[in-house]
Amino acid sequence: QVQLVQSGVEVKKPGSSVKVSCKASGGTFSDYTITWVRQAPGQGLEWMGRIIPILGVANYAPNFQGRVTITADTSTTTVYMKLSSLRSEDTAVYYCARDLAEIVDQYYYFYAMDVWGQGTTVIVSS
Amino acid sequence: DIVMTQSPESLAVSLGERATISCKSSQSVLESSNNKKYLTWYQQKPGQPPKLLIYWTSTRESGVPDRFSGSGSGTDFTLTISSLQAEDVAVYYCQQYYSTPWTFGQGTKVEIK
Repeated sequence: QVQLVQSGVEVKKPGSSVKVSCKASGGTFSDYTITWVRQAPGQGLEWMGRIIPILGVANYAPNFQGRVTITADTSTTTVYMKLSSLRSEDTAVYYCARDLAEIVDQYYYFYAMDVWGQGTTVIVSS
Repeated sequence: DIVMTQSPESLAVSLGERATISCKSSQSVLESSNNKKYLTWYQQKPGQPPKLLIYWTSTRESGVPDRFSGSGSGTDFTLTISSLQAEDVAVYYCQQYYSTPWTFGQGTKVEIK
């Protein structure tokens, strides 16, 4: 049974950075890809980016390009999401989730997120 | 970016009645190489992460009750709850997986009338 457990609440000042962790257990980590999605208070879901840990390759949404970095430590089966230059609008719950994908000729056809972390609340306030 | 538009924003349905949610994409999400439509539905209850319901437009995730069904063409998609139960009160999101950035609809809140 795959489980994703995220780090706890963060309170940050504007202009600073936050690094949220997502530890995976169960299953085979090398088979995973992990996505990060955020949800501002009372708002919808926003895709931030994803990483293929076994390849160390990450892709980011244009809205976050340059501010977000997603990394993976295969030795600890943990994925990290760092968001820098924080502003009040970054106050949100941040979720990691496992992607489902079909791999055909080394090409990934992603199609769903089936296991989610519990979410990490990040509050940006002066 | 592909824009996903859901309607209605909210709906109230009597217990046992049908609930229908629409999702439109600004461009086709049909992958021609495998003829799959990369449209996914999630359910989110207050204080919880989203839960996967349906992928590839109409394939139910394991364990999802069969009262949930999905259908659609290249740009117009529907999530149907055939007989609404109290535990179905939630916000429902569609998401396209055709191209990055993967984008979500704004959500539809389903309540009991």
